[in-house]
Amino acid sequence: EDQVTQSPEALRLQEGESSSLNCSYTVSGLRGLFWYRQDPGKGPEFLFTLYSAGEEKEKERLKATLTKKESFLHITAPKPEDSATYLCAVQADDSWGKLQFGAGTQVVVTP
Amino acid sequence: GAVVSQHPSRVICKSGTSVKIECRSLDFQATTMFWYRQFPKQSLMLMATSNEGSKATYEQGVEKDKFLINHASLTLSTLTVTSAHPEDSSFYICSARPDWATYNEQFFGPGTRLTVL
Repeated sequence: EDQVTQSPEALRLQEGESSSLNCSYTVSGLRGLFWYRQDPGKGPEFLFTLYSAGEEKEKERLKATLTKKESFLHITAPKPEDSATYLCAVQADDSWGKLQFGAGTQVVVTP
Repeated sequence: GAVVSQHPSRVICKSGTSVKIECRSLDFQATTMFWYRQFPKQSLMLMATSNEGSKATYEQGVEKDKFLINHASLTLSTLTVTSAHPEDSSFYICSARPDWATYNEQFFGPGTRLTVL
């Protein structure tokens, strides 16, 4: 059975204090790994898609990396506006496009 | 680009009534859309996959007669919660996969908060 585990559950950072979020996955055949950001009471906002081990993508203060078993989302010098829940999801080869989400990491960045 | 809207954003209804939620892709066509449910402090749970012009595919444990899905056009899918009860109260979110998506990206709507009294 496909599984997605995110850690930590919650992360409190000072503004400027860089950190990393982890997404470990077990899937029969990975078609893609997706990172989303979700603000309270809103739908997830697409951040990145990763497809193969060794791949990296960046957007502003965020950088996502992928290995064969896990993905990391690095937040460099975060600002308060980076506070959100970050969701990781995997899409298996035989999933007909369906995403399986992890429970998310809630990030709070304080000034 | 890749904007998805949902209507209504919030709805409160009495137990036993039906509620319809619309999901629209505003600037792209989507043969496939997805419906999710999210309970407080929990992640998204896929309810069903909606394909334009055909029947929806429901996930295990989701009652298809209770959650009716209609994907009548390439830009609109609707979810109707029939005979709603308080336990159906949740945050319902749709996503759409653009027909041009090379990598199966899904873009999400803002969600609909359903409260059943």
